[in-house]
Amino acid sequence: EAQVTQNPRYLITVTGKKLTVTCSQNMNHEYMSWYRQDPGLGLRQIYYSMNVEVTDKGDVPEGYKVSRKEKRNFPLILESPSPNQTSLYFCASSLWASGGMTQYFGPGTRLLVL
Amino acid sequence: KNEVEQSPQNLTAQEGEFITINCSYSVGISALHWLQQHPGGGIVSLFMLSSGKKKHGRLIATINIQEKHSSLHITASHPRDSAVYICAGTNSGNTPLVFGKGTRLSVIA
Repeated sequence: EAQVTQNPRYLITVTGKKLTVTCSQNMNHEYMSWYRQDPGLGLRQIYYSMNVEVTDKGDVPEGYKVSRKEKRNFPLILESPSPNQTSLYFCASSLWASGGMTQYFGPGTRLLVL
Repeated sequence: KNEVEQSPQNLTAQEGEFITINCSYSVGISALHWLQQHPGGGIVSLFMLSSGKKKHGRLIATINIQEKHSSLHITASHPRDSAVYICAGTNSGNTPLVFGKGTRLSVIA
């Protein structure tokens, strides 16, 4: 089954404790991205990757890092989480097909930073 | 700065009604995506369009490039259509960069 998986789905942590949210896709997509979703602000792009070893900042990259060592994986790293990073996070991968592009979203990761 | 504005923010409809959700976007955006977010939080991509009209089942998406406006229509609405609908604009054709705030649709039986 074609899918994007994220782990963990729920995470409670404390300020300053490094964490990684994993994202993996099994569709051989070149393009992957991370978004955060906050009430009243909607979805905002954090980072994206056009291909292996190619990453670029989105709208809100501060406090986050990513890496793309393999095509299927695109982990999101919070080196020193802060309460303002409490949010719902989505990973997505993209495929170009006739008629346009289809985005596939992961199930989301709810993060609470105390 | 690229911007996407959606209306209405909230919409309640009776089952069977024809529904329209609107999206206006700024210069620089070349394609629009429509997404559906279910009450459980999952997001599904419905359409991407840069011109004309697309249809999938009871869903129809249109875009008017000159007016920088897109609409999502739902025919014969059903309670299972209840969700948040999000439009998003891209300036490269690759992936959404700018999102609207979403339209929360509730369809009542």
